[in-house]
Amino acid sequence: AQTVTQSQPEMSVQEAETVTLSCTYDTSESDYYLFWYKQPPSRQMILVIRQEAYKQQNATENRFSVNFQKAAKSFSLKISDSQLGDAAMYFCAYRSATNSNYQLIWGAGTKLIIKP
Amino acid sequence: NAGVMQNPRHLVRRRGQEARLRCSPMKGHSHVYWYRQLPEEGLKFMVYLQKENIIDESGMPKERFSAEFPKEGPSILRIQQVVRGDSAAYFCASSLGIGTDTQYFGPGTRLTVL
Repeated sequence: AQTVTQSQPEMSVQEAETVTLSCTYDTSESDYYLFWYKQPPSRQMILVIRQEAYKQQNATENRFSVNFQKAAKSFSLKISDSQLGDAAMYFCAYRSATNSNYQLIWGAGTKLIIKP
Repeated sequence: NAGVMQNPRHLVRRRGQEARLRCSPMKGHSHVYWYRQLPEEGLKFMVYLQKENIIDESGMPKERFSAEFPKEGPSILRIQQVVRGDSAAYFCASSLGIGTDTQYFGPGTRLTVL
């Protein structure tokens, strides 16, 4: 069975600086998707970024980028120029690429605190 | 283009009552997923539905929980005879199709059982 591990329960960063959130996963599959979701205090679950395992290029979305290391089964999220609005819980999630397996497998989350 | 809608956002029930949670998927989406989030934890898959069909309910407790997605109207997650352990946030997600499609989440319903 696949598992997702986020080893940092909480991280803090000074506003405007860069922070990296860690995520590792375990799978025997070769094709899958990885996601980072953000959950602010409103508790809405917001998709931040998505990575296809077959793509070597790391996904980026504005200030958000990932470092995808397939061999190491690592999928970290880098947030550049941190803003107060980035404060939230961040969840890493895995999904198999096979049509019959659509469940998202979630990590326990990392709480990100932005210091003004 | 409205996102996934869930209501109510907050629901308080006493032990033994029934809870009904509603989810309207994004326009054009016909695949709905329900997840539960216990405090301080990530989400756990409960059930996957397409219109009028339950495709996978492997994550749903065998008793007291049921889900439907009728031809018309929202998807409903129903919890009968609620207990304190049912207190959680329940999230609905929808996707355009299956396979490669990203799941987009609603704001969740926070259920509190007194």
